[in-house]
Amino acid sequence: GAVVSQHPSWVICKSGTSVKIECRSLDFQATTMFWYRQFPKQSLMLMATSNEGSKATYEQGVEKDKFLINHASLTLSTLTVTSAHPEDSSFYICSARDGDKGYNEQFFGPGTRLTVL
Amino acid sequence: AQKVTQAQTEISVVEKEDVTLDCVYETRDTTYYLFWYKQPPSGELVFLIRRNSFDEQNEISGRYSWNFQKSTSSFNFTITASQVVDSAVYFCALSEAGTDKLIFGTGTRLQVFP
Repeated sequence: GAVVSQHPSWVICKSGTSVKIECRSLDFQATTMFWYRQFPKQSLMLMATSNEGSKATYEQGVEKDKFLINHASLTLSTLTVTSAHPEDSSFYICSARDGDKGYNEQFFGPGTRLTVL
Repeated sequence: AQKVTQAQTEISVVEKEDVTLDCVYETRDTTYYLFWYKQPPSGELVFLIRRNSFDEQNEISGRYSWNFQKSTSSFNFTITASQVVDSAVYFCALSEAGTDKLIFGTGTRLQVFP
């Protein structure tokens, strides 16, 4: 149980285009989902926290108009990188909290590698 | 403010050696959680352990063991008889009670050579 999937696993796009990444909890309801960003050989940095049915809370320094997060259902959150540029190239990882379990129980997706040309 | 420090950037060992990965944390809360995750080359984070601040018992799981010392704010991870499959980046993370946010350390890259 507690499986989180991400789609796509990798994507290459041209500068200026928008890219949508999906994060799904497959066998549990995720009341809260998190989006992280990881540059090569660096740590994971939390970008935003999203709760189902409400607006995402962004960490300081993260542009909410550039990284659009939607958590429309208890099993799906999406991250859209708008007008992507090469500096947005990174590994994006989502995690989901099982609403039936205590907090701090986060399950991570396999990540999406974004390359912007 | 919360902070997690993993001073060891890279460690290289030969198979069957024991290796300890250090983790030092900072928090003002009395209730918090500590985690270790493994990130193999594939990129997917693998959960290893969660420990709450009130449980200072050391834990052993197979070849893995964890030493939690509140007095020194450390939560070190030891792999006994390391194997090539242990090669990965290991992250220590902290979460304060009342928040779901995970604060990650910078990670330690472990390379185990045959």
